[in-house]
Amino acid sequence: DIVMTQSPDSLAVSLGERATINCKASQSILYSSNKKNYLAWYQQKSGQPPKVLIYWASTRESGVPDRFSGSGSGTDFTLTISSLQAEDVAIYYCQQYYDAPYTFGQGTKLEIK
Amino acid sequence: EAQLVESGGGLVQPGGSLRLSCAASGFTISTYWVHWVRQVPGKGLVWVSRINSDGSSTSYADSVKGRFTISRDNAKNTLYLQMNSLRVDDTAVYFCARGAYYFDLWGRGTLVSVSS
Repeated sequence: DIVMTQSPDSLAVSLGERATINCKASQSILYSSNKKNYLAWYQQKSGQPPKVLIYWASTRESGVPDRFSGSGSGTDFTLTISSLQAEDVAIYYCQQYYDAPYTFGQGTKLEIK
Repeated sequence: EAQLVESGGGLVQPGGSLRLSCAASGFTISTYWVHWVRQVPGKGLVWVSRINSDGSSTSYADSVKGRFTISRDNAKNTLYLQMNSLRVDDTAVYFCARGAYYFDLWGRGTLVSVSS
């Protein structure tokens, strides 16, 4: 199984400041034939289901604010929130869909400092 | 508006069975792969199972293999998860989600509690 490890486990950032969450896969999730990274980022607010923010490592889902961006390739990935807003308080998960089981990272809890 | 709505959760004793349903509306489920993902309250997301669009291919997490069965009825626009030999550690909120790759639509989940 591909193990996804996020860092940090929790993060407190001031409003308007940048938040960065890292995700490391135990093996490459870059598919050589199409040069795509099989990595998604989800946001889960309290009492709600997860919502996809980013897929293919860097493609923003329709309707997601452009302060959210994804980067990385192979085994190392990053979710960046360029200017933290109050509504961004949530738990963020990375997920690989390269191969079953489609594993998630353990989650990063983002709070306001 | 596309929507997934889970049902069928509840309290069951260890060793018991439950069947979860996931009803799709606002889109035709037959063109999508669909998954079950579970989450112990306060904990992380764990993928459980998936089925392809025509039901010919399924996959399971090792923790549920041989006990859970995923199926679909495209005519009813509904996904199912038959859960047998339930254990205390199967207690979780169960979400259905659609997507052949990333999961772009999730239901709100149904709570399964396994306890004596």
